[in-house]
Amino acid sequence: EDKVVQSPLSLVVHEGDTVTLNCSYEVTNFRSLLWYKQEKKAPTFLFMLTSSGIEKKSGRLSSILDKKELFSILNITATQTGDSAIYLCAPKGNNNDMRFGAGTRLTVKP
Amino acid sequence: DSGVTQTPKHLITATGQRVTLRCSPRSGDLSVYWYQQSLDQGLQFLIQYYNGEERAKGNILERFSAQQFPDLHSELNLSSLELGDSALYFCASSVGGLAEYNEQFFGPGTRLTVL
Repeated sequence: EDKVVQSPLSLVVHEGDTVTLNCSYEVTNFRSLLWYKQEKKAPTFLFMLTSSGIEKKSGRLSSILDKKELFSILNITATQTGDSAIYLCAPKGNNNDMRFGAGTRLTVKP
Repeated sequence: DSGVTQTPKHLITATGQRVTLRCSPRSGDLSVYWYQQSLDQGLQFLIQYYNGEERAKGNILERFSAQQFPDLHSELNLSSLELGDSALYFCASSVGGLAEYNEQFFGPGTRLTVL
């Protein structure tokens, strides 16, 4: 059965800190992994990863995938209060189900 | 603003009733996805339509059904509502039909409360 585990479940840091969020997965016939940020409203897309070892960057956020060890990490450097959100990962295989992790709730304090 | 619209924003109804949620995808997107998000279950995929045809099915109850119309808007029908159906229902859209290779853009959601 497909499985997605995100850790930590919750994280509280201060502005300026760097955080690393983890997503480990077991997905049949893995194709890609997506990261989303969810504040009070709908999830917004951050990254799509399909290849191992290639870092994707967007400003202070970056993400990398390890298809051998079946995990992905999302890094946020120099965190700001606006980074406070739930971060969701969603690995996708070639089956008909799409499974999101439970998310990591990040709180950035001033 | 993702370009995906959902109506209504909020819906309050009673157990046993039936409701219809509506979603209009981004211009040019052919796929529509429906998700349910509740406090205890997280974000759960329900169903995907691509260009009018059902493409993938997740944990969708038999009391729930969906369709995508020729103009590509989609409706999610929820019937015989139970208290546990109270949740935020999201619609997302993408250009292509392969969810694993297409970024999904989420609508603002419809909050359903069943009393």
